[in-house]
Amino acid sequence: QSVLTQPPSASGSPGQRVTISCSGGSSSIGRNHVYWYQQLPGTAPKLLIYWNNQRPSGVPDRFSGSKSGTSASLAISGLRSEDEADYYCAAWDDSLNGYVVFGGGTKLTVL
Amino acid sequence: EVQLLESGGGLVQPGGSLRLSCAASGFTFSTYAMTWVRQAPGKGLEWVSAISGSAISTYYADSVKGRFTISRDNSKNTLYLQMNSLRAEDTAIYYCAKCYGGGAWDAFDIWGQGTMVTVSS
Repeated sequence: QSVLTQPPSASGSPGQRVTISCSGGSSSIGRNHVYWYQQLPGTAPKLLIYWNNQRPSGVPDRFSGSKSGTSASLAISGLRSEDEADYYCAAWDDSLNGYVVFGGGTKLTVL
Repeated sequence: EVQLLESGGGLVQPGGSLRLSCAASGFTFSTYAMTWVRQAPGKGLEWVSAISGSAISTYYADSVKGRFTISRDNSKNTLYLQMNSLRAEDTAIYYCAKCYGGGAWDAFDIWGQGTMVTVSS
């Protein structure tokens, strides 16, 4: 089963804009929605973006998602110290019987 | 309040078995697909298995296929994961999560706090 590819780390200063990329294939991102999850240290993951670019209620509009072809990205603007976390992309892969594939995660450091 | 509460984790020897439970509350459990996701110590998220609301359809990661069985009891609002032939590499925090829509392919919008499984002699 395949995985999605994310950079292992990203960083930015408070107030800056940071983007995290997520690369997949035709059977995953190419044909299905992308989801983003935020995991703060020592806590369970939290849904951040669904259906490529939709924010659940309560998620600030500083967070935005986009998708093009077999890649997706998460953008965080107006970076804040509390954004320091691990970020994971995910998608359904409909090859074989179907399964969920996660990216390896990106650790975001706020400098 | 929508809530998921996992239980059943613990220490088990290689080759042993364990059954995890996830008690759901605050939503119509039978309407939604549910999933298990695990996280090995210091590692990323790994999807394990999912089940449709009616339990007709189940899905598994290759790494657990043939060893783990996902099930649900909609009368008890509870999700299960039966884990057999456990290996050291199954050591992880196991999270249950609710799927946003009716399908296992949708977002995981509610997560439990996780239960730790340690496979070691």
